[in-house]
Amino acid sequence: GAVVSQHPSWVICKSGTSVKIECRSLDFQATTMFWYRQFPKQSLMLMATSNEGSKATYEQGVEKDKFLINHASLTLSTLTVTSAHPEDSSFYICSASRSQGWDSPLHFGNGTRLTVT
Amino acid sequence: RKEVEQDPGPFNVPEGATVAFNCTYSNSASQSFFWYRQDCRKEPKLLMSVYSSGNEDGRFTAQLNRASQYISLLIRDSKLSDSATYLCVVGDYKLSFGAGTTVTVRA
Repeated sequence: GAVVSQHPSWVICKSGTSVKIECRSLDFQATTMFWYRQFPKQSLMLMATSNEGSKATYEQGVEKDKFLINHASLTLSTLTVTSAHPEDSSFYICSASRSQGWDSPLHFGNGTRLTVT
Repeated sequence: RKEVEQDPGPFNVPEGATVAFNCTYSNSASQSFFWYRQDCRKEPKLLMSVYSSGNEDGRFTAQLNRASQYISLLIRDSKLSDSATYLCVVGDYKLSFGAGTTVTVRA
C-alpha cells in the first residue's frame, strides 16, 4: 500500500490564488521530504528539500517566496504555490525515504495536478 | 550535459518480446541507482534498485556498468501491462532523474 500520501490529487484554481499541497508519510517518520515538478514528457525536477523543523533548501531557479514549504512535523510537509499563474500549471510530486541512507529508495506521493486558469 | 540521459523511445514491442534500454549518467561518484516505472499522469513507483553485480526480479533484469557510466533495464516476455515510462534515477543523497523511456507493448 501507499506509504506517502499527497493531497489533493488535482486542483484547478484561478490566476492569483494560492494553492496548498500536503504530503504525508503514513507509516514512518520523515525528517526530509522532497518536492518535484514535472512538465509533460519531461523528467521530474527537484524543486526543494523539505527539512523538519528548519528551512527548506531550494534548488537554483526556484523562488522560495513563491513556493512556500513548511515541514512542521515528522510526517507532514506542505507546499504552497502562492499567487499561482498559468505557467505554474504542472504535476507536483513529493517523496520521502524510510531511512537517511543514500541507497534507500524514494517513495512518492500520488502527485497533484495543478491547473491555473 | 544532462546528469542523467535516457533514450525517450518509444519502444514498440509485441507481447512476449524482449526489450532493453540504457541510461547514462555523468557523475562518476554516483552511488545509488534505481529504475522507476511511471504510468501516464501518475506518480513514479519503484521497479527495482540496481546493484553493482546486477540483479534480477522476475522478468526484469538490471545491470550497472560503472566503467561506461550507464545502467540498463531488460524486460523479458513483455506483457501489455509493462507499457509505461521507465525512469532512471541516479545519485547519492541527491538523486537525478532521467526523462524516461517509453515502452509500449502491443497485442
